[in-house]
Amino acid sequence: KAGVTQTPRYLIKTRGQQVTLSCSPISGHRSVSWYQQTPGQGLQFLFEYFSETQRNKGNFPGRFSGRQFSNSRSEMNVSTLELGDSALYLCASSVERTGELFFGEGSRLTVL
Amino acid sequence: AQSVTQLGSHVSVSEGALVLLRCNYSSSVPPYLFWYVQYPNQGLQLLLKYTSAATLVKGINGFEAEFKKSETSFHLTKPSAHMSDAAEYFCAVSGRDSSYKLIFGSGTRLLVRP
Repeated sequence: KAGVTQTPRYLIKTRGQQVTLSCSPISGHRSVSWYQQTPGQGLQFLFEYFSETQRNKGNFPGRFSGRQFSNSRSEMNVSTLELGDSALYLCASSVERTGELFFGEGSRLTVL
Repeated sequence: AQSVTQLGSHVSVSEGALVLLRCNYSSSVPPYLFWYVQYPNQGLQLLLKYTSAATLVKGINGFEAEFKKSETSFHLTKPSAHMSDAAEYFCAVSGRDSSYKLIFGSGTRLLVRP
């Protein structure tokens, strides 16, 4: 069974640009959530989608947005990039209510 | 609000020694608790989870953790460290609602000395 797939793995952007990251969950998983990982702030919850609906959102500015498609694939978008947005963005999928998440390898974003 | 505290950002042990990584949680009701491991340049992998069944939870790679409600703790242990255990370990908590949101601790980097 294929795991969670995130693309791209690495990308470099400049301030003011926007970026879109993609996540394909494990087959059969309907919940997809996103986390930001930085050395200073650690792992922080961005948002969670279930059946194309955002169920929960973390404390991030409106520049961060996401969506989920009918096939459960998800994208997140960051507009007007800032230096502080440089991070590893992790996607996770889940099928159970126990909260067990299966993570992808992440997309490492560098903002110059 | 739920929170997780991991004591010690770095823990160093000798190969073959006991591994003990500490995690304390703050929650009004017993939550779901998890330990994840992250190897360099990789995502997080679930080691074990507590969901209110047995208080002693066994996970992968010889790790186990004990849920102690009186101490609000969920420490991770392994009797004998192996070089391949060197990684960063995260404790996490989630609520017993429909949310899949995890609150993570700040992480503990485990160093294993030969």
